[in-house]
Amino acid sequence: GAGVSQSPSNKVTEKGKDVELRCDPISGHTALYWYRQSLGQGLEFLIYFQGNSAPDKSGLPSDRFSAERTGGSVSTLTIQRTQQEDSAVYLCASSAGTANYGYTFGSGTRLTVV
Amino acid sequence: AQSVTQLGSHVSVSEGALVLLRCNYSSSVPPYLFWYVQYPNQGLQLLLKYTTGATLVKGINGFEAEFKKSETSFHLTKPSAHMSDAAEYFCAVSKGSDKIIFGKGTRLHILP
Repeated sequence: GAGVSQSPSNKVTEKGKDVELRCDPISGHTALYWYRQSLGQGLEFLIYFQGNSAPDKSGLPSDRFSAERTGGSVSTLTIQRTQQEDSAVYLCASSAGTANYGYTFGSGTRLTVV
Repeated sequence: AQSVTQLGSHVSVSEGALVLLRCNYSSSVPPYLFWYVQYPNQGLQLLLKYTTGATLVKGINGFEAEFKKSETSFHLTKPSAHMSDAAEYFCAVSKGSDKIIFGKGTRLHILP
């Protein structure tokens, strides 16, 4: 596609429910990243996929968070048993190679846990 | 480990005045440095990046940044602010082969 596509753009969920956030990267981009943006906290790294290598999960805040990338393309970020502190904008980005190429970001999914 | 510190969570400048957004980094290896901009209700957009070579980097919309290794700084400047420059700006650092680490951001306000 022409850009990085994220869906849904907005998601309101009840505390304790599971949610899935989807990211469709630019075609051919080998690297895919998830970040979380909270008010006043900047962008917090969550997870990084590079080609067929094992993902870098070092930023996932708890075991309620997981992500997968199928076929080297689409990625899904899953949050289980959502908590109010999970409310944030979740941003996906992709890159043609390593990070020094810079990223192309999607518009994000705004998650609100009520 | 890499890290970025942006001085000032909010900066206000008058239209036509110089814009200066400060960024200092910490890196154990020669860094790759970036500035991203986020306009209201939009995703992040790359303004400019430093990888190797010339230390003064020019980006889009008249912005530029200078890599100063001795000061571990990568400040963003623009000679004359426009109302359309109002946005949040993020400084970021990477080892190159690894993820990008972002600062907490600086919100730029332009006063008429």
